[in-house]
Amino acid sequence: GAGVSQSPSNKVTEKGKDVELRCDPISGHTALYWYRQSLGQGLEFLIYFQGNSAPDKSGLPSDRFSAERTGGSVSTLTIQRTQQEDSAVYLCASSPRPGQGSVEQFFGPGTRLTVL
Amino acid sequence: AQSVTQPDIHITVSEGASLELRCNYSYGATPYLFWYVQSPGQGLQLLLKYFSGDTLVQGIKGFEAEFKRSQSSFNLRKPSVHWSDAAEYFCAVGAQAAGNKLTFGGGTRVLVKP
Repeated sequence: GAGVSQSPSNKVTEKGKDVELRCDPISGHTALYWYRQSLGQGLEFLIYFQGNSAPDKSGLPSDRFSAERTGGSVSTLTIQRTQQEDSAVYLCASSPRPGQGSVEQFFGPGTRLTVL
Repeated sequence: AQSVTQPDIHITVSEGASLELRCNYSYGATPYLFWYVQSPGQGLQLLLKYFSGDTLVQGIKGFEAEFKRSQSSFNLRKPSVHWSDAAEYFCAVGAQAAGNKLTFGGGTRVLVKP
């Protein structure tokens, strides 16, 4: 079956612009995670959605970052007024409902964001 | 708070030789432990995972890992490395109480010499 998909695969933007990154999780997965992979910081958790619960935003680095998940499926990560330090690969992962067996997270291929 | 340490940033190994990648974690209870592999330009692929039970877990591509609670370690091993194993390897810890969000180590890049 289809895995986690992300779009775009690459995004180049100018400093100060807003960007939107999209994630389509595996069908039926109720949990969705965003991570960021950068040279200086490694792999960092950003935000987590589980069903209809309030998202865990504890990893978002600043209020310029936000995310939403519509209809319990597709998620969009938005970065406003991008800065050069936002350049990174943004990874999305999804997981079945906790308690339904494996809590393995399945990762998408990522979106490489470059802020000029 | 959870933390993961991978002491080796780079490891070079000859093809056919054995490989061991170290991982130490910090967490108050028994965590969920994972090893992921990332090939250049690719996403993360799960190699194996530990939740409970047998402390020696088998994964894909001939990898295994052993959970040692007394040492807070979850080292990854492979008896005979293939050139295709050249990649970056990440150890991660998660906890159900924290929504299973993963904390990753810094990664170990493996180079395979012919």
